[in-house]
Amino acid sequence: GAVVSQHPSWVICKSGTSVKIECRSLDFQATTMFWYRQFPKQSLMLMATSNEGSKATYEQGVEKDKFLINHASLTLSTLTVTSAHPEDSSFYICSAASDGQFFGPGTRLTVL
Amino acid sequence: QKEVEQNSGPLSVPEGAIASLNCTYSDRGSQSFFWYRQYSGKSPELIMFIYSNGDKEDGRFTAQLNKASQYVSLLIRDSQPSDSATYLCAVELTGGGNKLTFGTGTQLKVEL
Repeated sequence: GAVVSQHPSWVICKSGTSVKIECRSLDFQATTMFWYRQFPKQSLMLMATSNEGSKATYEQGVEKDKFLINHASLTLSTLTVTSAHPEDSSFYICSAASDGQFFGPGTRLTVL
Repeated sequence: QKEVEQNSGPLSVPEGAIASLNCTYSDRGSQSFFWYRQYSGKSPELIMFIYSNGDKEDGRFTAQLNKASQYVSLLIRDSQPSDSATYLCAVELTGGGNKLTFGTGTQLKVEL
């Protein structure tokens, strides 16, 4: 149990385009999902907390207008990186809460 | 002072030995404690969680919690090369709503 999927697993895009990443809890309902970013050889950095049916809570320093989060249902949260730039290239990981957090496999974003 | 502290390592142990990973936390009101394993390029995987003082065993893994000392550890018995990874300690603060604070992780290397 407690399986979380993410799609896509990797994406390459041009600078200035937007990219949407989906996070799904496959076998449980999650009222809360989390979005993290991890740069190479660095620790996980929490970007935002996504709550079903309400606005996301962003961590300090994370631009809410650049990283749009929608938690449309108890099993789906999406992160849209708008007007992506090379410095947004990173490993984006979501997690869903159910007695701890269960992580999706991550999405590797490369912005050219 | 960081909220959750871990020695970054690398911690090197020979195959078959016991690996001991340590973590301290600053919030005395913390209630839940988690250990995650992260292989290079992959997302974190939940290994164990512990809520109460004492030891909790699951296979080759034992989590130990001492709330008075604000200390949580993970022991890995009969270490295998496949245990080589970064181990993340995570703490859920009181009233944290499933939000976890992560340590920076300890890199474990199990040598043949």
